Amino acid sequence: NAGVTQTPKFQVLKTGQSMTLQCAQDMNHEYMSWYRQDPGMGLRLIHYSVGAGITDQGEVPNGYNVSRSTTEDFPLRLLSAAPSQTSVYFCASSYSMGAVPYEQYFGPGTRLTVT
Amino acid sequence: GESVGLHLPTLSVQEGDNSIINCAYSNSASDYFIWYKQESGKGPQFIIDIRSNMDKRQGQRVTVLLNKTVKHLSLQIAATQPGDSAVYFCAENIVSNFGNEKLTFGTGTRLTIIP
Repeated sequence: NAGVTQTPKFQVLKTGQSMTLQCAQDMNHEYMSWYRQDPGMGLRLIHYSVGAGITDQGEVPNGYNVSRSTTEDFPLRLLSAAPSQTSVYFCASSYSMGAVPYEQYFGPGTRLTVT
Repeated sequence: GESVGLHLPTLSVQEGDNSIINCAYSNSASDYFIWYKQESGKGPQFIIDIRSNMDKRQGQRVTVLLNKTVKHLSLQIAATQPGDSAVYFCAENIVSNFGNEKLTFGTGTRLTIIP
């Protein structure tokens, strides 16, 4: 049981480039989410999904796209990278009863730098 | 401003002493609260949660207290150990427009255990 895995661990992009951050979980969790963490700030929710085929926006969705074609995978796409997207990105998953995200398991994070 | 905040950004405690980390929230409709621990270079790790129908919940060496009257949450760690040094986040659930609930995190408190 690998839990929540994220790839890559580190990435450097040039402004305007696009890329996909991968997230996978093997716990059969319905709820998955993406957060970004900036220095001196808490985690801010980018997008989340309560099940395959269902996604919704979080607090800071602009510049990011997500899709949820399977229960296991929840990739985050940066459409046109900007320096403001330099951050550490965390993926998380949990069971959900109704739509409440119970104990969330976090991945190790992806540190992204946009120059 | 943020709906979830912390009174102190840093806290230093002598090893073996008890520590208390505080958190204020502003949304009286929130009904689920979680404390997370984040060690350097890692993703957040679930510590303990509490629902709004409770005012206290205990785990192993940790206790969470909820005061809904003043919208205040605290995490007590007993007999602190060097491994308790980390950043601690509180989070609350807020109902989104679609009725799905998602967590909002505070900015975090850095706890340092002094040997």
